[in-house]
Amino acid sequence: DQQVKQNSPSLSVQEGRISILNCDYTNSMFDYFLWYKKYPAEGPTFLISISSIKDKNEDGRFTVFLNKSAKHLSLHIVPSQPGDSAVYFCAASSRSSNTGKLIFGQGTTLQVKP
Amino acid sequence: NAGVTQTPKFQVLKTGQSMTLQCAQDMNHEYMSWYRQDPGMGLRLIHYSVGAGITDQGEVPNGYNVSRSTTEDFPLRLLSAAPSQTSVYFCASSSIGLAGGGEQYFGPGTRLTVT
Repeated sequence: DQQVKQNSPSLSVQEGRISILNCDYTNSMFDYFLWYKKYPAEGPTFLISISSIKDKNEDGRFTVFLNKSAKHLSLHIVPSQPGDSAVYFCAASSRSSNTGKLIFGQGTTLQVKP
Repeated sequence: NAGVTQTPKFQVLKTGQSMTLQCAQDMNHEYMSWYRQDPGMGLRLIHYSVGAGITDQGEVPNGYNVSRSTTEDFPLRLLSAAPSQTSVYFCASSSIGLAGGGEQYFGPGTRLTVT
C-alpha cells in the first residue's frame, strides 16, 4: 500500500519555463510534507517543506502547494534551470507521532532542457 | 561537521554472505534511519531508530538487522545476502519532535550488488 505516490516518473521542461511536480498521499495522519532533490551518485538533499496548517510555502524559485482536502501537494519551480535536472522525491510524516519517520514517494525525474 | 557518513561506497557480495553497512552522524541527531532505493520504487524505509537503544522496523525490514548502541552510529547488517538486496542504501538522520522539522540529512549512499 503506497501511502505517498508520485504518478509521473519523468518530466521534461524548457529552461525558463515552470516545472510542476505532483504528489498524492492517502494517510490522513500526515501533517508535514517535504520535497527532496537527488543528483546521481549522491544522497537526497532537503529542498522545501510545508506544514498541514499552511497551503503554500515559498523559498526563492521553489513553491510548494498543499491541498489537504484532495490529499495532494505540488512543487513549482519558476523559472526552471538546467541545474534543476534531478530526481525529486516528496515525503510525508506525522510529526505528532514524534518518531521522525518519513514515507517517500517513488520520485519524478525532472529534465530541464537548455 | 562531516554530516552523515557511510562506508563502504561500493560492495559486491555473493549470495549467502553477510556484511555490515556503517553509518555515522556528528550532528547529535536522535533519529536515524536506513532506506533502500530501487528503480521505480523510490526510497523505502528499512529500519529506524529514535535514540540509542531504540530501533523499529520500517516498510521493508526482512533480511536486515540494526542496533543503536550510541547516538552517532547506526549500522545495518545483512545476515545472508540475497540478489533481491541489490540496491543503493542510504542512511539518514534528523532531530525529531515538533521543533525538529523532520528534515533528514542523507549520507552519500552505498551501492550493493549481490551475485
